[in-house]
Amino acid sequence: NAGVTQTPKFRVLKTGQSMTLLCAQDMNHEYMYWYRQDPGMGLRLIHYSVGEGTTAKGEVPDGYNVSRLKKQNFLLGLESAAPSQTSVYFCASTYGFGYGYTFGSGTRLTVV
Amino acid sequence: SQQGEEDPQALSIQEGENATMNCSYKTSINNLQWYRQNSGRGLVHLILIRSNEREKHSGRLRVTLDTSKKSSSLLITASRAADTASYFCATVANTGFQKLVFGTGTRLLVSP
Repeated sequence: NAGVTQTPKFRVLKTGQSMTLLCAQDMNHEYMYWYRQDPGMGLRLIHYSVGEGTTAKGEVPDGYNVSRLKKQNFLLGLESAAPSQTSVYFCASTYGFGYGYTFGSGTRLTVV
Repeated sequence: SQQGEEDPQALSIQEGENATMNCSYKTSINNLQWYRQNSGRGLVHLILIRSNEREKHSGRLRVTLDTSKKSSSLLITASRAADTASYFCATVANTGFQKLVFGTGTRLLVSP
């Protein structure tokens, strides 16, 4: 099925550990995004990409890095996890202006 | 910072009733979008309305946009228990890069 796939779905990390979240889309979308969702705060943009090989900072980029080496994949990295990064992470993609976004099912991350 | 604020934060109705959710935003927009999120799941795109449109329909959904008041409303007619979810409005600004900025959402509970 076409869409956005996120892996893993759940993860528990210890403070200071690192990990990478993978997002893959098969719709040939140019734009990809990483959001985090915390209770009562809606979704906040972490990083985004306008195309293969490009990345840019969003609203809450500190503590995260991203890479888009292939058009269909957008990776989110946590170099040294902190409890404040406990959240649900969503990846999304779109063709561009005037189109809705397609979201993945999310990754629930707990940092202890 | 969040762009939009939804009102009410929570809404409880009976099946068959209509549900109305409102969204206010701060800046000039290119388009406004509404999303649904079922508990523990990703976001699903419902409808997009452009800044030069005033009303749009999709099935049981009706969206209005008043750019002079910087506000939008989502009406769900003849609600069903399956409509129980959180609903988010999100805006794409008229300038700069295309990115969705979300409000904090309305939690809708439809009781049988």
